[in-house]
Amino acid sequence: DTGVSQNPRHKITKRGQNVTFRCDPISEHNRLYWYRQTLGQGPEFLTYFQNEAQLEKSRLLSDRFSAERPKGSFSTLEIQRTEQGDSAMYLCASSPRTGYEQYFGPGTRLTVT
Amino acid sequence: GQNIDQPTEMTATEGAIVQINCTYQTSGFNGLFWYQQHAGEAPTFLSYNVLDGLEEKGRFSSFLSRSKGYSYLLLKELQMKDSASYLCAPSDNTDKLIFGTGTRLQVFP
Repeated sequence: DTGVSQNPRHKITKRGQNVTFRCDPISEHNRLYWYRQTLGQGPEFLTYFQNEAQLEKSRLLSDRFSAERPKGSFSTLEIQRTEQGDSAMYLCASSPRTGYEQYFGPGTRLTVT
Repeated sequence: GQNIDQPTEMTATEGAIVQINCTYQTSGFNGLFWYQQHAGEAPTFLSYNVLDGLEEKGRFSSFLSRSKGYSYLLLKELQMKDSASYLCAPSDNTDKLIFGTGTRLQVFP
């Protein structure tokens, strides 16, 4: 069991550029969550998939953000026209079919300059 | 509304016992989680309570009172490596976790 993996681990981009992050959940976990965390704060929920279906999106997720999980396995989170306020740690978590605990990946730290 | 309240910082000495309290209000409730987070790292799962009472797991125990909207995490025999942030996170009726700002615990020798 390799745990949740996320790529890249760090991303520095200029304001206005698009970025895409990838999350690979633990094998056979059917639920996948994206959270965002800024310094000194707890993680904030962004969106959630059960298999390939996106079941909920936070109001934090503006139309510049889009997430997919095309085959119910890995997921991508894309941010278009990045802004400095998007700088944060983006965390992915997965949860098994028969349990509630969410296991977090190492995160992708985004810096928008 | 949704609200999580925990102390911002706590200090304790090695070998001691510390209790981190959490009160919460959520839209629906599907259990409460405690996570540990070291600086710059992802949260790691510590415990899950869905029924009232105490759950014990080694040096860590977690308590839940659903009627009071209250939980605590008890850490025994503190070690230096326990210095971290501890996040209380109730799960709402859609299974997403609602995190507070966390409690930063510093353990001194």
